[in-house]
Amino acid sequence: DIQMTQSPSSLSASVGDRVTITCRASQSISSYLNWYQQKPGKAPKLLIYAASSLQSGVPSRFSGSGSGTDFTLTISSLQPEDFATYYCQQSYSTPRYSFGQGTKLEIK
Amino acid sequence: QVQLQESGPGLVKPSETLSLTCTVSGYSISSGYYWGWIRQPPGKGLEWIGSIYHSGSTYYNPSLKSRVTISVDTSKNQFSLKLSSVTAADTAVYYCARNIQYYYYYYMDVWGKGTTVTVSS
Repeated sequence: DIQMTQSPSSLSASVGDRVTITCRASQSISSYLNWYQQKPGKAPKLLIYAASSLQSGVPSRFSGSGSGTDFTLTISSLQPEDFATYYCQQSYSTPRYSFGQGTKLEIK
Repeated sequence: QVQLQESGPGLVKPSETLSLTCTVSGYSISSGYYWGWIRQPPGKGLEWIGSIYHSGSTYYNPSLKSRVTISVDTSKNQFSLKLSSVTAADTAVYYCARNIQYYYYYYMDVWGKGTTVTVSS
């Protein structure tokens, strides 16, 4: 099984900050990496697929990068609506997926 | 637009079988893609439970495989989850999601709102 590890588990930041979340796979997964945003009481929402492709309708302040085992999600300038929990997910072994444990982004 | 809606009992007794259905609107399941179930225990992260291809092929999380059955009913445009011998550890919000394909890449682009299932006597 492919294990996904995110860091940090939680993060405090201010509106306007640049934030980076990291996801590491236990083996190479090429670019088969997706990012989701989840707000309390809501279903996850797709942000990034194929490591760096922005899902339609997602603001351009979100970006993804990486390949192999190391990936990053960057928010260039935090907005109030971005405070949420973020999950990475590998799709290398589709349809046997696995998620990272999540990174909770909180207001400083 | 494509919408998914989970339905089923919100309370299940220990040792019994949890049964949920996901009804899809705006897209025909028989047209393609994988369709999956994901759960989230209270205060915890997301766990993939399993997926079914539109043709009926199934794939399960190894940690749940002995207890999980996913099926599809294309005539009703629904797919279902059965989880047997449940315990309190199976208490969670259960989501269904469409697994779309773009070239060789797969991702979950549409999710249901989720349904809370509590295992308790």
